[in-house]
Amino acid sequence: AQSVSQHNHHVILSEAASLELGCNYSYGGTVNLFWYVQYPGQHLQLLLKYFSGDPLVKGIKGFEAEFIKSKFSFNLRKPSVQWSDTAEYFCAVITNRDDKIIFGKGTRLHILP
Amino acid sequence: DAGVTQSPTHLIKTRGQQVTLRCSPKSGHDTVSWYQQALGQGPQFIFQYYEEEERQRGNFPDRFSGHQFPNYSSELNVNALLLGDSALYLCASSLTSEPFQETQYFGPGTRLLVL
Repeated sequence: AQSVSQHNHHVILSEAASLELGCNYSYGGTVNLFWYVQYPGQHLQLLLKYFSGDPLVKGIKGFEAEFIKSKFSFNLRKPSVQWSDTAEYFCAVITNRDDKIIFGKGTRLHILP
Repeated sequence: DAGVTQSPTHLIKTRGQQVTLRCSPKSGHDTVSWYQQALGQGPQFIFQYYEEEERQRGNFPDRFSGHQFPNYSSELNVNALLLGDSALYLCASSLTSEPFQETQYFGPGTRLLVL
């Protein structure tokens, strides 16, 4: 069965540190990839998405993600985090097999001021 | 512009009962998707409605059913509730002609507790 794995359940960083959250999926065909974010007390919202084209995708608030097909990965990065980036981050994938979205279990990111 | 709204915010039911959750999509959106998010898990796709019909369905039993109205609002019904149905139920809306090709906007969710 298709699945999405997020390697880290909890990440704690200091402000200005660099961030990389891992995401791997298990499917060999065509995929659409997403990162969603849920800030404390807010709704789940789209951070960025990849459908095709340039595998390096830029999203809101300085986030970016790189699709590496050979590694089945779509890691999220930010060069310098801020306290306001404290949130839960979810990776998600849709495959061309059945068009159903699958979310990872999420990574809780806590930024120390 | 009102975003996605859901009601009620919280609900407590007992095993065997039935529950109906409601969702109003973002203005102008015509597609509604429902998700179940258990504690410590990511959202799991239940089904998606477009043009008042179920277009996609996840791996959920028939106890989970839905409806979409002409004004695009939607209901999620769960029959014969089990303890394992306790979760946050999320609704998301989008404007799309293809499933999941457009950005989905999520509501705040309804937290259901089954005792």
